[in-house]
Amino acid sequence: GNSVTQMEGPVTLSEEAFLTINCTYTATGYPSLFWYVQYPGEGLQLLLKATKADDKGSNKGFEATYRKETTSFHLEKGSVQVSDSAVYFCALRSNFGNEKLTFGTGTRLTIIP
Amino acid sequence: ETGVTQTPRHLVMGMTNKKSLKCEQHLGHNAMYWYKQSAKKPLELMFVYNFKEQTENNSVPSRFSPECPNSSHLFLHLHTLQPEDSALYLCASSQDRRTSGLDYNEQFFGPGTRLTVL
Repeated sequence: GNSVTQMEGPVTLSEEAFLTINCTYTATGYPSLFWYVQYPGEGLQLLLKATKADDKGSNKGFEATYRKETTSFHLEKGSVQVSDSAVYFCALRSNFGNEKLTFGTGTRLTIIP
Repeated sequence: ETGVTQTPRHLVMGMTNKKSLKCEQHLGHNAMYWYKQSAKKPLELMFVYNFKEQTENNSVPSRFSPECPNSSHLFLHLHTLQPEDSALYLCASSQDRRTSGLDYNEQFFGPGTRLTVL
């Protein structure tokens, strides 16, 4: 079946540091890949997505590239801000059937001023 | 109100209680979902409803009983829960792919209900 593995947290960085959160997946066929973000006290929000190999999703300074050869979708940001502190979830959706999403365990990110 | 709302935001219940969680979406969607979020575990999909019909039940124990009276409302009825059921329960909604014709329909999440079972 489908599965998503993302790096264990928590991750603590200083403001303006470079961020990488690793995500790898196992799936049949060609899934779509997503990063969701959950700010304190809120539900999950879609941050970015990629629907085919070599696509790059980007939003709010975050980027992730769909790498089929390494089955990865690592999240990066060149200069993080305190407001980026949140929990980040990597997820995939099979391109067969319904909209079911398979999530990773989430990575808590804390940015220190 | 806009988006996806959930009530209550926090709930503490004993193992013999019966309670219900409510979700309402104001986005005109026709698919709704219940997820369970536990610490250090992936988000678990519990139930999916498309056009008020349950289309997925991920082997959820019968002490959790969903209800979808219309495409805007989703309930999760709880009875005789166990302490390990304590978690954040998230509701989400989306457009159904069959009607939208789009390859992907984003799921919009509510803020969740933090449930504690004593």
